[in-house]
Amino acid sequence: GNSVTQMEGPVTLSEEAFLTINCTYTATGYPSLFWYVQYPGEGLQLLLKATKADDKGSNKGFEATYRKETTSFHLEKGSVQVSDSAVYFCALVGAGGFKTIFGAGTRLFVKA
Amino acid sequence: NAGVMQNPRHLVRRRGQEARLRCSPMKGHSHVYWYRQLPEEGLKFMVYLQKENIIDESGMPKERFSAEFPKEGPSILRIQQVVRGDSAAYFCASSPPLAVYQETQYFGPGTRLLVL
Repeated sequence: GNSVTQMEGPVTLSEEAFLTINCTYTATGYPSLFWYVQYPGEGLQLLLKATKADDKGSNKGFEATYRKETTSFHLEKGSVQVSDSAVYFCALVGAGGFKTIFGAGTRLFVKA
Repeated sequence: NAGVMQNPRHLVRRRGQEARLRCSPMKGHSHVYWYRQLPEEGLKFMVYLQKENIIDESGMPKERFSAEFPKEGPSILRIQQVVRGDSAAYFCASSPPLAVYQETQYFGPGTRLLVL
């Protein structure tokens, strides 16, 4: 079945550091891929998405590229801020499907 | 356009009581999904509903859990005779009618259920 694997956290960075959170997936066909962010005590917010191979999703300085050949959708940001501290979830919806399959989440701490 | 609304945001129940969680989808959305997030884990799909129909409930526990989405009013996730293991955050999401598959789902703020 479909699955998502993302790097374990927590990830601790200093402000202005470069961020990469790895995400790989297993799915048949061409799923849609998503990154969601969850701030403490809040619900999930869609951060970015990509629906076909080589698409790049971007938002608020975050980027992720849909790589079919490596089945990956790594999240990157060039310069993190303290306000980026949150849990980040990689997710997919399978081709022709509706269930969102989530990774376990990666907690990010950014120090001032 | 208001987002997905869930209430209550926090719910405390004693073992054996019933928990009733409500979800109002975004305006114009007629597809509702429920997910459960156990502590320190990702979200797991529970059930997918359209107005008056359960489309897929493959993620619902076989006993004590039920969901509905009536013609009028919010979607309800009901948990009867709660146990401590039901303590979790329950998230609702919605998407538009005639949604193309793989359409983005918009999530509510969640209801955090604590069973004492």
